[in-house]
Amino acid sequence: SAVISQKPSRDICQRGTSLTIQCQVDSQVTMMFWYRQQPGQSLTLIATANQGSEATYESGFVIDKFPISRPNLTFSTLTVSNMSPEDSSIYLCSVSDSPYDNEQFFGPGTRLTVL
Amino acid sequence: AQSVAQPEDQVNVAEGNPLTVKCTYSVSGNPYLFWYVQYPNRGLQFLLKYITGDNLVKGSYGFEAEFNKSQTSFHLKKPSALVSDSALYFCAGATRSASKIIFGSGTRLSIRP
Repeated sequence: SAVISQKPSRDICQRGTSLTIQCQVDSQVTMMFWYRQQPGQSLTLIATANQGSEATYESGFVIDKFPISRPNLTFSTLTVSNMSPEDSSIYLCSVSDSPYDNEQFFGPGTRLTVL
Repeated sequence: AQSVAQPEDQVNVAEGNPLTVKCTYSVSGNPYLFWYVQYPNRGLQFLLKYITGDNLVKGSYGFEAEFNKSQTSFHLKKPSALVSDSALYFCAGATRSASKIIFGSGTRLSIRP
């Protein structure tokens, strides 16, 4: 399975600022995803990061708030813009390279606290 | 709409006893089904998956799950629980035509010594 790293592992940010989270995979993968996990909650898909084109956002998430880049098949970034305390969550990157079963592998997550 | 349900927020089991974590799904067609585990301050780890074939799927750490199409269930089981199994468990499902997977709300498993 792919080895996924995320940076930073955690951060504490001030309201109104932005934070960019990086996701690096040790091999080329077809699909990359970004999820949000609010405290004590399940995972919510933010968007699918598409290589070389705009990300595909889920209902309730917009590009202005969560811009995503995916310049190649091993790297993606998620920016959380104009942060508010409600953005305090764990942000997880996942990858899938199986055309048969949608199995996803997850990074360790980025724990974000907004004051 | 597709959905995955985990009806129990918390399951408490004594060490050495069998455990079951319940999951039901509403996914069109023949679904892909998964179980993931999340330990404190860690990402999700893959436990097992059902794709096709044998309804009983064996996975990591001695866990297994049984796919039951008539009951639309995919319960996670282990014959003898360990204290180290205490964690948050997520059931997830996907249709065969989509790349996204849908997660259940999670069940916190607590194994007491």
